[in-house]
Amino acid sequence: EAQVTQNPRYLITVTGKKLTVTCSQNMNHEYMSWYRQDPGLGLRQIYYSMNVEVTDKGDVPEGYKVSRKEKRNFPLILESPSPNQTSLYFCASSFGVSPLHFGNGTRLTVT
Amino acid sequence: AQSVTQLGSHVSVSEGALVLLRCNYSSSVPPYLFWYVQYPNQGLQLLLKYTTGATLVKGINGFEAEFKKSETSFHLTKPSAHMSDAAEYFCAVSGNTNAGKSTFGDGTTLTVKP
Repeated sequence: EAQVTQNPRYLITVTGKKLTVTCSQNMNHEYMSWYRQDPGLGLRQIYYSMNVEVTDKGDVPEGYKVSRKEKRNFPLILESPSPNQTSLYFCASSFGVSPLHFGNGTRLTVT
Repeated sequence: AQSVTQLGSHVSVSEGALVLLRCNYSSSVPPYLFWYVQYPNQGLQLLLKYTTGATLVKGINGFEAEFKKSETSFHLTKPSAHMSDAAEYFCAVSGNTNAGKSTFGDGTTLTVKP
């Protein structure tokens, strides 16, 4: 089954404790992206990757890092999380001009 | 540059009534347009898309949308609302070279009253 898998689904952490949210897709998609969803703000793009070893900033990249060492994986790294990064995060992938395929989301709470 | 404006963060309709969710976009290149739906505790799913060709596009669950270039609009409609349509709906625009670089609207929450 074609899918984008994010882990974990829920994460509670404390300020400053480094964390990684994993994302994997099994569709051989070139393009992968991370979004955060906040009430009333829709989805805002954090980082995206056009292919292996090619990443670029989206609209709200501050406080986040990504890497794309393999085509299928695109982890999101928060080196020093802060409470304003409490949000719902989505990973997505696509190929060319096809629509985005989304994971089921990771709800992060930073206290 | 590209942007999306969804008019109305909340829309409420009665079961069986017409659903109309509004979306206006701006894009410096010919746009690809998408509507996605998000059910509670789930990711977004594609409802329908416009790339090229026919301006009236049909999607899943009886939804359709019409691309109107002159009005820079891509409104979503469904003739008769069902309780199961209650969800959050997002309009998105991308350039015609990479749908992955999509910009989303703020979303519209649809409530369906019995």
